[in-house]
Amino acid sequence: GAVVSQHPSRVICKSGTSVKIECRSLDFQATTMFWYRQFPKQSLMLMATSNEGSKATYEQGVEKDKFLINHASLTLSTLTVTSAHPEDSSFYICSARSVLAGVGNEQFFGPGTRLTVL
Amino acid sequence: GEDVEQSLFLSVREGDSSVINCTYTDSSSTYLYWYKQEPGAGLQLLTYIFSNMDMKQDQRLTVLLNKKDKHLSLRIADTQTGDSAIYFCAEIYAGNMLTFGGGTRLMVKP
Repeated sequence: GAVVSQHPSRVICKSGTSVKIECRSLDFQATTMFWYRQFPKQSLMLMATSNEGSKATYEQGVEKDKFLINHASLTLSTLTVTSAHPEDSSFYICSARSVLAGVGNEQFFGPGTRLTVL
Repeated sequence: GEDVEQSLFLSVREGDSSVINCTYTDSSSTYLYWYKQEPGAGLQLLTYIFSNMDMKQDQRLTVLLNKKDKHLSLRIADTQTGDSAIYFCAEIYAGNMLTFGGGTRLMVKP
Protein backbone atom coordinates (compact mmCIF):
# COMPACT_ATOMS: atom_id res chain seq x y z
CA GLY A 1 0.00 0.00 0.00
CA ALA A 2 0.92 3.66 -0.14
CA VAL A 3 3.46 4.75 2.45
CA VAL A 4 3.79 8.14 4.07
CA SER A 5 6.78 8.96 6.23
CA GLN A 6 7.36 11.74 8.70
CA HIS A 7 10.60 13.09 10.05
CA PRO A 8 11.49 13.43 12.79
CA SER A 9 9.38 11.00 14.79
CA ARG A 10 10.17 12.82 18.02
CA VAL A 11 11.59 16.25 18.70
CA ILE A 12 12.27 18.14 21.88
CA CYS A 13 13.06 21.81 21.60
CA LYS A 14 13.42 24.89 23.74
CA SER A 15 10.73 27.51 23.89
CA GLY A 16 11.20 30.17 21.22
CA THR A 17 12.87 27.96 18.66
CA SER A 18 11.38 26.78 15.37
CA VAL A 19 10.85 23.16 14.41
CA LYS A 20 10.37 21.74 10.94
CA ILE A 21 8.49 18.50 10.35
CA GLU A 22 8.66 16.75 7.00
CA CYS A 23 5.96 14.61 5.44
CA ARG A 24 6.83 12.49 2.42
CA SER A 25 4.79 10.20 0.22
CA LEU A 26 7.26 7.46 -0.59
CA ASP A 27 5.73 5.55 -3.44
CA PHE A 28 3.06 7.82 -4.83
CA GLN A 29 2.48 11.41 -5.78
CA ALA A 30 0.22 13.41 -3.52
CA THR A 31 -1.87 16.22 -4.92
CA THR A 32 -3.07 17.14 -1.48
CA MET A 33 -1.50 16.79 1.92
CA PHE A 34 -3.19 17.39 5.24
CA TRP A 35 -1.76 18.31 8.62
CA TYR A 36 -3.48 17.22 11.80
CA ARG A 37 -2.82 17.82 15.44
CA GLN A 38 -3.73 15.37 18.15
CA PHE A 39 -3.80 16.13 21.85
CA PRO A 40 -3.49 13.28 24.35
CA LYS A 41 -6.56 11.07 24.42
CA GLN A 42 -8.30 13.24 21.87
CA SER A 43 -9.20 12.99 18.25
CA LEU A 44 -7.38 14.51 15.32
CA MET A 45 -7.92 18.14 14.52
CA LEU A 46 -7.34 19.23 10.96
CA MET A 47 -4.95 22.18 10.90
CA ALA A 48 -4.52 22.83 7.22
CA THR A 49 -4.79 21.46 3.73
CA SER A 50 -2.02 21.99 1.23
CA ASN A 51 -1.98 21.48 -2.50
CA GLU A 52 1.29 21.23 -4.36
CA GLY A 53 2.45 24.59 -5.61
CA SER A 54 -0.19 26.68 -3.89
CA LYS A 55 -0.73 28.22 -0.49
CA ALA A 56 -2.13 26.09 2.28
CA THR A 57 -5.70 26.51 3.44
CA TYR A 58 -5.85 26.81 7.20
CA GLU A 59 -8.73 25.79 9.41
CA GLN A 60 -10.39 28.38 11.57
CA GLY A 61 -8.40 29.12 14.68
CA VAL A 62 -5.07 27.91 13.29
CA GLU A 63 -2.47 30.65 13.03
CA LYS A 64 -0.90 30.58 9.59
CA ASP A 65 2.09 32.63 10.73
CA LYS A 66 2.68 30.19 13.54
CA PHE A 67 2.35 27.01 11.54
CA LEU A 68 4.06 27.48 8.20
CA ILE A 69 3.24 24.90 5.58
CA ASN A 70 5.16 24.39 2.37
CA HIS A 71 4.09 21.84 -0.22
CA ALA A 72 6.99 22.21 -2.61
CA SER A 73 6.58 19.00 -4.56
CA LEU A 74 4.15 16.18 -5.12
CA THR A 75 5.96 14.07 -2.56
CA LEU A 76 6.94 16.52 0.17
CA SER A 77 5.15 18.85 2.53
CA THR A 78 6.70 20.56 5.52
CA LEU A 79 5.17 22.03 8.65
CA THR A 80 7.27 24.54 10.54
CA VAL A 81 6.21 25.45 14.04
CA THR A 82 7.69 28.90 14.54
CA SER A 83 8.66 30.31 17.91
CA ALA A 84 7.39 27.20 19.61
CA HIS A 85 5.88 27.37 23.08
CA PRO A 86 4.96 24.61 25.53
CA GLU A 87 1.32 24.78 24.45
CA ASP A 88 2.44 23.73 20.97
CA SER A 89 3.53 20.38 22.39
CA SER A 90 1.42 17.81 20.63
CA PHE A 91 1.37 14.89 18.22
CA TYR A 92 1.40 16.13 14.63
CA ILE A 93 0.22 13.77 11.91
CA CYS A 94 0.23 14.33 8.17
CA SER A 95 -1.72 12.53 5.52
CA ALA A 96 -1.48 12.45 1.76
CA ARG A 97 -4.02 11.91 -0.94
CA SER A 98 -2.85 10.35 -4.15
CA VAL A 99 -2.96 11.99 -7.55
CA LEU A 100 -4.69 8.85 -8.63
CA ALA A 101 -7.01 8.71 -5.63
CA GLY A 102 -9.03 5.65 -6.17
CA VAL A 103 -12.20 4.37 -4.66
CA GLY A 104 -12.71 5.75 -1.20
CA ASN A 105 -10.78 8.99 -1.64
CA GLU A 106 -8.21 7.49 0.65
CA GLN A 107 -5.84 9.52 2.71
CA PHE A 108 -2.69 7.73 3.79
CA PHE A 109 -1.35 8.76 7.15
CA GLY A 110 2.16 9.24 8.35
CA PRO A 111 3.34 7.76 11.66
CA GLY A 112 3.22 11.11 13.42
CA THR A 113 5.74 13.43 15.06
CA ARG A 114 5.69 14.04 18.78
CA LEU A 115 6.76 17.57 19.57
CA THR A 116 7.71 18.52 23.11
CA VAL A 117 8.51 22.14 23.80
CA LEU A 118 10.34 22.78 27.06
CA GLY B 1 -21.15 21.79 11.01
CA GLU B 2 -20.03 18.20 10.72
CA ASP B 3 -20.08 16.18 13.90
CA VAL B 4 -19.01 12.60 14.44
CA GLU B 5 -19.49 10.93 17.80
CA GLN B 6 -18.27 7.71 19.32
CA SER B 7 -18.34 6.09 22.72
CA LEU B 8 -15.06 6.52 24.55
CA PHE B 9 -14.26 3.05 25.75
CA LEU B 10 -14.98 -0.62 25.10
CA SER B 11 -13.64 -3.62 26.94
CA VAL B 12 -14.03 -7.19 25.66
CA ARG B 13 -12.52 -10.59 26.34
CA GLU B 14 -10.23 -12.23 23.84
CA GLY B 15 -12.23 -14.30 21.39
CA ASP B 16 -15.41 -12.29 21.81
CA SER B 17 -16.81 -9.93 19.19
CA SER B 18 -16.34 -6.18 19.55
CA VAL B 19 -18.82 -3.68 18.22
CA ILE B 20 -17.77 -0.04 18.00
CA ASN B 21 -20.48 2.48 17.20
CA CYS B 22 -20.39 5.86 15.55
CA THR B 23 -22.96 8.49 14.65
CA TYR B 24 -22.49 11.27 12.15
CA THR B 25 -24.49 14.27 11.02
CA ASP B 26 -23.54 15.03 7.43
CA SER B 27 -26.09 13.25 5.24
CA SER B 28 -24.09 14.11 2.14
CA SER B 29 -21.11 12.00 3.22
CA THR B 30 -20.03 9.76 0.39
CA TYR B 31 -17.55 7.60 2.24
CA LEU B 32 -17.21 6.60 5.86
CA TYR B 33 -14.03 5.18 7.27
CA TRP B 34 -12.66 3.24 10.17
CA TYR B 35 -9.09 3.91 11.28
CA LYS B 36 -7.01 2.15 13.91
CA GLN B 37 -4.41 3.95 15.99
CA GLU B 38 -1.95 2.03 18.12
CA PRO B 39 -0.15 3.83 20.96
CA GLY B 40 2.20 6.53 19.70
CA ALA B 41 1.55 5.71 16.07
CA GLY B 42 -0.24 7.19 13.12
CA LEU B 43 -3.53 6.04 11.72
CA GLN B 44 -4.05 2.87 9.78
CA LEU B 45 -7.03 2.68 7.45
CA LEU B 46 -8.94 -0.47 8.33
CA THR B 47 -11.85 -0.27 5.99
CA TYR B 48 -14.32 2.09 4.42
CA ILE B 49 -17.86 1.92 3.15
CA PHE B 50 -19.55 3.82 0.39
CA SER B 51 -22.71 5.58 1.47
CA ASN B 52 -24.98 3.56 -0.81
CA MET B 53 -23.96 0.32 0.88
CA ASP B 54 -25.52 -1.21 3.98
CA MET B 55 -22.79 -3.63 4.86
CA LYS B 56 -19.22 -4.46 4.02
CA GLN B 57 -17.28 -7.46 5.26
CA ASP B 58 -13.54 -7.83 5.17
CA GLN B 59 -12.19 -10.90 6.96
CA ARG B 60 -12.84 -10.32 10.68
CA LEU B 61 -14.25 -6.85 10.11
CA THR B 62 -17.88 -6.07 9.35
CA VAL B 63 -19.08 -2.55 8.77
CA LEU B 64 -22.78 -1.77 9.04
CA LEU B 65 -24.23 1.50 7.82
CA ASN B 66 -27.71 2.77 8.68
CA LYS B 67 -27.95 5.84 6.54
CA LYS B 68 -31.41 6.77 7.78
CA ASP B 69 -30.18 6.96 11.37
CA LYS B 70 -26.67 8.12 10.34
CA HIS B 71 -25.22 5.27 12.34
CA LEU B 72 -22.07 3.36 11.51
CA SER B 73 -20.66 0.36 13.33
CA LEU B 74 -17.53 -1.73 13.17
CA ARG B 75 -17.70 -5.34 14.32
CA ILE B 76 -14.48 -7.20 14.97
CA ALA B 77 -14.99 -10.94 15.18
CA ASP B 78 -12.77 -13.13 17.37
CA THR B 79 -11.12 -10.10 18.93
CA GLN B 80 -7.43 -10.55 19.75
CA THR B 81 -5.14 -8.72 22.14
CA GLY B 82 -3.45 -7.19 19.10
CA ASP B 83 -6.72 -5.46 18.31
CA SER B 84 -6.31 -3.28 21.41
CA ALA B 85 -6.07 0.25 20.07
CA ILE B 86 -8.10 3.39 19.50
CA TYR B 87 -10.57 3.19 16.66
CA PHE B 88 -11.70 6.32 14.86
CA CYS B 89 -14.61 6.61 12.50
CA ALA B 90 -14.46 9.43 9.99
CA GLU B 91 -16.58 10.87 7.26
CA ILE B 92 -15.70 12.78 4.14
CA TYR B 93 -17.01 16.28 3.64
CA ALA B 94 -16.31 19.00 1.08
CA GLY B 95 -14.93 16.43 -1.31
CA ASN B 96 -11.81 15.38 0.48
CA MET B 97 -11.83 16.61 4.07
CA LEU B 98 -12.10 14.11 6.88
CA THR B 99 -13.98 14.70 10.11
CA PHE B 100 -13.00 12.28 12.83
CA GLY B 101 -14.95 11.02 15.77
CA GLY B 102 -13.36 11.24 19.19
CA GLY B 103 -12.09 7.69 19.06
CA THR B 104 -13.08 4.54 20.96
CA ARG B 105 -10.41 2.90 23.06
CA LEU B 106 -10.75 -0.88 22.72
CA MET B 107 -9.21 -2.96 25.46
CA VAL B 108 -9.00 -6.70 24.92
CA LYS B 109 -8.54 -8.79 28.04
CA PRO B 110 -6.84 -12.18 27.77
